[in-house]
Order: sequence, then structure tokens, then C-alpha cells
Amino acid sequence: GAGVSQSPSNKVTEKGKDVELRCDPISGHTALYWYRQSLGQGLEFLIYFQGNSAPDKSGLPSDRFSAERTGGSVSTLTIQRTQQEDSAVYLCASSTGQGAGQPQHFGDGTRLSIL
Amino acid sequence: AQSVAQPEDQVNVAEGNPLTVKCTYSVSGNPYLFWYVQYPNRGLQFLLKYITGDNLVKGSYGFEAEFNKSQTSFHLKKPSALVSDSALYFCAVRETGANNLFFGTGTRLTVIP
Repeated sequence: GAGVSQSPSNKVTEKGKDVELRCDPISGHTALYWYRQSLGQGLEFLIYFQGNSAPDKSGLPSDRFSAERTGGSVSTLTIQRTQQEDSAVYLCASSTGQGAGQPQHFGDGTRLSIL
Repeated sequence: AQSVAQPEDQVNVAEGNPLTVKCTYSVSGNPYLFWYVQYPNRGLQFLLKYITGDNLVKGSYGFEAEFNKSQTSFHLKKPSALVSDSALYFCAVRETGANNLFFGTGTRLTVIP
């Protein structure tokens, strides 16, 4: 069956440019997460969406980062005025419902490189 | 605050031997514990979880993990390692009421033929 789909798989951009990363969760999954994986910081939580509730933005590292989820499905993570330290793999995950015991299913990520 | 420790950055084991990847955790209240595996240029794949019940949890690809409340550990095990098990393994914890998983730093497992 279809898993979590992320695009693009790779993105190279110049410092100062804006980037948009897309995530298509598994159909029917109401919870959606963004994480960042980098060599120095490991896996960091960025933002969480659950249904129509207000997102948990507590992991966003700065106001240059934002995300939205349209129609309870597709999500876009936007990074404005990119910096070199934003270089990382950005992972999206989805899960069913709100239960803390539900496993999160991950996409293959977007590898972002800032020149 | 939740935290996870994976004390070994690298574990090497011979093919056919048993393997253990260690994980200890710290949470408030009862933990939800997970193991994920990551292959090169791929996302994380769910292996198994502990929520409640039996301390020995069985998961995908012959992996299992033992929850030990007194030692706050959740070590990943497999009786007989395969070369294809070589990958990066992450332990994760989620506190009751928390929205996100908190991951360990990962352990790279290499199975030597």
C-alpha cells in the first residue's frame, strides 16, 4: 500500500532563498509530524498536526520555519531565508488517531542542502 | 522531561550470533517505547513498540525487545543476526500527553559475514 510520500527527495538551494517541502501522509491518518535529522543534532521534532486542532509548533527552531496542512491531508513545510545550518534531512511521519501508542510511519525524507 | 540514551554508537556482531542494541529512557509516568530502523537514504521503519502488558515484545524481521521498568531499559535483541540487519537503529520514547517522539542518537549495527 501507499506509504508517506515526500517531495522533492533532494533540494539544493542558495543561502537566503525560500524552500517548500511537501508531505503526503498515509490516507486516513489524522496525525502528521515533521522531524529534522542532522549529523550534529540527531532527530528533532519540529511540528505536529492532529485533525483540525491547532498545531503543536513547539519544535520549530525559528520564525523562519512554518508549516501548514491543507484539508487535513497534505502538509507543506516552508523555510524562509535559508541558512547553511538548515541543511539536513527533513522527515515527515503520519499515524492514526491521537493515541500515544500509535506508531508513526515515516517517509524517505527530503535532503536539503544550502550552498 | 523525556530522554533516551543509546550508549553505543556502533555495534558489530558476526552473522548468526545474537545481537543486542541498548536503550535506556527517562520519562514522567508510564512510557511508550519504540524501536525504528533506518537504511541508507530511507526514512525510519517501525520495528516494535511497548505500551503495556508483557515485558517481552516481538516485532518485525525477528526482532524483539525487553522492557525492564526497574532498570528503565528497552534493549533490542535478535537471536541470530543477518548481514541484511546492518543499519542504523533508533530507540524512541513518548510520554503520556506528549505529541512527539523523542529519539536516541542512534546505534549503527554492522553484521559481519
